[in-house]
Amino acid sequence: ETGVTQTPRHLVMGMTNKKSLKCEQHLGHNAMYWYKQSAKKPLELMFVYSLEERVENNSVPSRFSPECPNSSHLFLHLHTLQPEDSALYLCASSQDRGLNQPQHFGDGTRLSIL
Amino acid sequence: GENVEQHPSTLSVQEGDSAVIKCTYSDSASNYFPWYKQELGKGPQLIIDIRSNVGEKKDQRIAVTLNKTAKHFSLHITETQPEDSAVYFCAAISKRSTLTFGKGTMLLVSP
Repeated sequence: ETGVTQTPRHLVMGMTNKKSLKCEQHLGHNAMYWYKQSAKKPLELMFVYSLEERVENNSVPSRFSPECPNSSHLFLHLHTLQPEDSALYLCASSQDRGLNQPQHFGDGTRLSIL
Repeated sequence: GENVEQHPSTLSVQEGDSAVIKCTYSDSASNYFPWYKQELGKGPQLIIDIRSNVGEKKDQRIAVTLNKTAKHFSLHITETQPEDSAVYFCAAISKRSTLTFGKGTMLLVSP
């Protein structure tokens, strides 16, 4: 059973819609991450939050907007997405954002853009 | 930045055989190497990790070896079982504390 919960598990949206992905971790961790997983590509890091402060943004388009209201919750707000944004979006957490810190993943949100 | 190469992309074995997946990395400062298993419809699950101060680590049927000089590390699964079938990812943590993943290996264990 995962300590990182993501909702919804599946999401289908049009290019003009606005939706949000939610992640909650029950592990008492201080760092949270958003990754994008596309077919036949390595996992791509999108955003990193440490103690609720965004510490990394890997050149992600502005149509993706993260929010971290507290150390247990992480959101990814979506608007005017493109078909190439269809992918599995994974949330992860680690004790701290430092070296040698294992990351624990949720089961992801499968996003399909029509 | 860090670059992680993983081979093979697919691996088919018979139940009971051993499976080996190999990864290389580019950043000599990387010092933490986790392995993840991802089953269909689920997120990656950490199965074993190794830090640069050791050369080998074992956990039951799973072992990982690390050669820092050659900058490569490997996952070894012995006595494979059908439930080992999944996609396996290696990763390395660089100076920026960012995990860089390989492209994954789809392991299929046939009964």
